[in-house]
Amino acid sequence: GDSVTQMEGPVTLSEEAFLTINCTYTATGYPSLFWYVQYPGEGLQLLLKATKADDKGSNKGFEATYRKETTSFHLEKGSVQVSDSAVYFCALSDQTGTASKLTFGTGTRLQVTL
Amino acid sequence: DAGITQSPRHKVTETGTPVTLRCHQTENHRYMYWYRQDPGHGLRLIHYSYGVKDTDKGEVSDGYSVSRSKTEDFLLTLESATSSQTSVYFCAIRYDRGNTEAFFGQGTRLTVV
Repeated sequence: GDSVTQMEGPVTLSEEAFLTINCTYTATGYPSLFWYVQYPGEGLQLLLKATKADDKGSNKGFEATYRKETTSFHLEKGSVQVSDSAVYFCALSDQTGTASKLTFGTGTRLQVTL
Repeated sequence: DAGITQSPRHKVTETGTPVTLRCHQTENHRYMYWYRQDPGHGLRLIHYSYGVKDTDKGEVSDGYSVSRSKTEDFLLTLESATSSQTSVYFCAIRYDRGNTEAFFGQGTRLTVV
């Protein structure tokens, strides 16, 4: 079945540091890929998405590129802020079956310090 | 705000009692999902619905049932709550399959004592 593997956390960075959170996936067909963010005490909200190979999703300074050849969708940000502290989830959406289900990774907690 | 309301937001219940969680949407989305979130596991799909009265099981469906009698409401029932069902439960809605995003509710924190 489909699966998503994320790097283990927590990730602790100083403000203005460069961020990479690795995500690789296993899926049949051609899934869509997503990054969601969860702030403390809240639900998940979409950060960015990519729907086909070589697409780059971007939002709020975060970027991720859909790499079919390496089955990866790594999240990057050039300069993190304290306000970016949250849990980040990589997810894929299959295109088959009666309802397109989202499969999530285990999440990576990011803590940004001054 | 994607028009999703989960209720209750917090609940403490005793082992062996039935519990029903409600997800209500105002967006008329076809697809609705129930996930549970646990440390080290991320979000795992319990059940989902692809229309009124159309539901199916996810990866962790044992001990849970669902019903969807109208588009806007998706109910999750724990028939006889166990301590292993202590978790945070999230409802999600989606307009269409494929590449559209899912919108999540605020979550229900359930504690089974």
